[in-house]
Amino acid sequence: NAGVTQTPKFRILKIGQSMTLQCAQDMNHNYMYWYRQDPGMGLKLIYYSVGAGITDKGEVPNGYNVSRSTTEDFPLRLELAAPSQTSVYFCASSYSTDSSYNSPLHFGNGTRLTVT
Amino acid sequence: TQLLEQSPQFLSIQEGENLTVYCNSSSVFSSLQWYRQEPGEGPVLLVTVVTGGEVKKLKRLTFQFGDARKDSSLHITAAQPGDTGLYLCAGAGANSKLTFGKGITLSVRP
Repeated sequence: NAGVTQTPKFRILKIGQSMTLQCAQDMNHNYMYWYRQDPGMGLKLIYYSVGAGITDKGEVPNGYNVSRSTTEDFPLRLELAAPSQTSVYFCASSYSTDSSYNSPLHFGNGTRLTVT
Repeated sequence: TQLLEQSPQFLSIQEGENLTVYCNSSSVFSSLQWYRQEPGEGPVLLVTVVTGGEVKKLKRLTFQFGDARKDSSLHITAAQPGDTGLYLCAGAGANSKLTFGKGITLSVRP
């Protein structure tokens, strides 16, 4: 049981380049999320998905796109990389988002992205 | 926007000391989670508290949810170097989305 797997672990991009951050989970979770973590800023939600074919914007979606064609995979796409997108990106999944008792988020180990 | 403020931002203590850190908000949360994150890894859930006034213990860690469900504290007894890490609290609002605090960096010196 691998949990949440993110690839690559590190990447350096030049301004204007594009890339896809991969995320896969093997826990059959319906809910998946993308966060970015900047030093001293906590975790900011970029996009999330409540199931295959359904995605929605989070707090900081500009400059990113997502798709969810299967339950297992939730890739994050950067079309025109900018220095402001230098960050550590975490993918997470959860069983449900029942507001009375939130299911825990299971995080991957992150992708460290530098845009120069 | 619901905000969670964590304090102190940084804490460096000697092994064996006790400590308490805080997670405060002006908003009411339906539940609150605490995560610990080690360098190079993703956050890992420590506990979820749901009921106002609830106290949960996890070995040497004691978590409390405020009576009004606006704040929480984490107390560590006899801290060990293995407790070193970034501690994040996250509150679940009415829309079920989690709001994360900025985290508390704890360093426990041997």
